Amino acid sequence: QKEVEQNSGPLSVPEGAIASLNCTYSDRGSQSFFWYRQYSGKSPELIMFIYSNGDKEDGRFTAQLNKASQYVSLLIRDSQPSDSATYLCAVSSSGNQFYFGTGTSLTVIP
Amino acid sequence: GAGVSQSPSNKVTEKGKDVELRCDPISGHTALYWYRQSLGQGLEFLIYFQGNSAPDKSGLPSDRFSAERTGGSVSTLTIQRTQQEDSAVYLCASSLGPRAGGQETQYFGPGTRLLVL
Repeated sequence: QKEVEQNSGPLSVPEGAIASLNCTYSDRGSQSFFWYRQYSGKSPELIMFIYSNGDKEDGRFTAQLNKASQYVSLLIRDSQPSDSATYLCAVSSSGNQFYFGTGTSLTVIP
Repeated sequence: GAGVSQSPSNKVTEKGKDVELRCDPISGHTALYWYRQSLGQGLEFLIYFQGNSAPDKSGLPSDRFSAERTGGSVSTLTIQRTQQEDSAVYLCASSLGPRAGGQETQYFGPGTRLLVL
């Protein structure tokens, strides 16, 4: 069974700090990795995707992928109260199916 | 361009009734997915359509659930004889379809909030 695991949190960080969200996956054949943000009562919205080992930066967001350790993370620098949401990790091996974690709830405290 | 749209946005029904939920994917997207999200829970995969291929129905929870996709575009998810445990948000997503290297991105619609009384 293909699994994606995330710490459900809640994770609380002060405004301006770095928030670190982690995700592990079980399928070594996974090729594509995604982070979605979901505000309460809203649908998930794509933040970042990463395909290759290493870091990928987009503004205040950095995704980190380590396929050997089957680990993907999301760093949010200079966290803002508007970043408070649930962050979903998703993994795909072929583009046919996406496996989602249950999400980590993040609260940024002003 | 227009994103994924879903209708209705909210649906209240009585136990035992049938409901139909509609999804309009992004134009040109060949892949379409249905998920269910119960309150405070993660996304539960229901069904996947890719082009003209047979759909992957492995996530449908019971034979009361079915889905079709007409003309490779609009999809309808049907729940027959609804039960209270069917209450959830039903999310549709679309993507360009599988490509070499698995490089793929899914975009979600706003969801249909279903409440079965």
